[in-house]
Amino acid sequence: SYVLTQPPSVSVAPGQTATITCGAENIGRKSVHWYQQKPGQAPVLVVYDDDGRPSGIPERFSGSNSGNTATLTISRVEAGDEADYHCQVWDSNSDHVVFGGGTKLSVL
Amino acid sequence: QVQLQESGPGLVKPSETLSLTCSVSGGSISNFYWSWIRQPAGKGLEWIGRVSDSGMTNYKSNFNSSLRSRVTMSVDTSKNQVSLELASVTAADTAIYFCARGGQNNRASAFDHWGQGILVTVSS
Repeated sequence: SYVLTQPPSVSVAPGQTATITCGAENIGRKSVHWYQQKPGQAPVLVVYDDDGRPSGIPERFSGSNSGNTATLTISRVEAGDEADYHCQVWDSNSDHVVFGGGTKLSVL
Repeated sequence: QVQLQESGPGLVKPSETLSLTCSVSGGSISNFYWSWIRQPAGKGLEWIGRVSDSGMTNYKSNFNSSLRSRVTMSVDTSKNQVSLELASVTAADTAIYFCARGGQNNRASAFDHWGQGILVTVSS
């Protein structure tokens, strides 16, 4: 089965840039989606199709995808960005949806 | 504004069947894929499976997963609802269960709308 690997945690100071990775074999060939989940809430889509940004999501959120790594970048991090971030793809071989294990972003 | 709302019992006894409903308002369930996703406390998201507006299903199946044999998903277009049944539950099925809207005739699309989630506890 297709496995997405995320770092368990990332820490960043306010105003700095946070980078969260999602690794898998040839992930660059797939469309990667990213979700933000705050405690007690449902996930919210923040990046779709590698680098698309849904309406209402700040421009500070951006994504990229190449080779074996997809990346979510959050610029000028704010305290309100503290949350869990999950990457997700559709694996065409199995016709399954796959989520990464999630990354907890801490704003110092 | 599309809204999803999960409903069902919050407590299910071991070996019984978990039954949940996702009611969709502000939009039609037609032409979309609908997924159920769960999240045990303190853990990541697990995709359970999907159902199309025509009732076609695909459930998660892994080497170490017994989900596929226990899951049934269905749609009721007249009520704009999607349903999940999970049979023979154990404590390992205790989780928050989310329904989510997938792509419009595109299985690779992101989940753009989610329900608030419902906590289901399996306990006698």
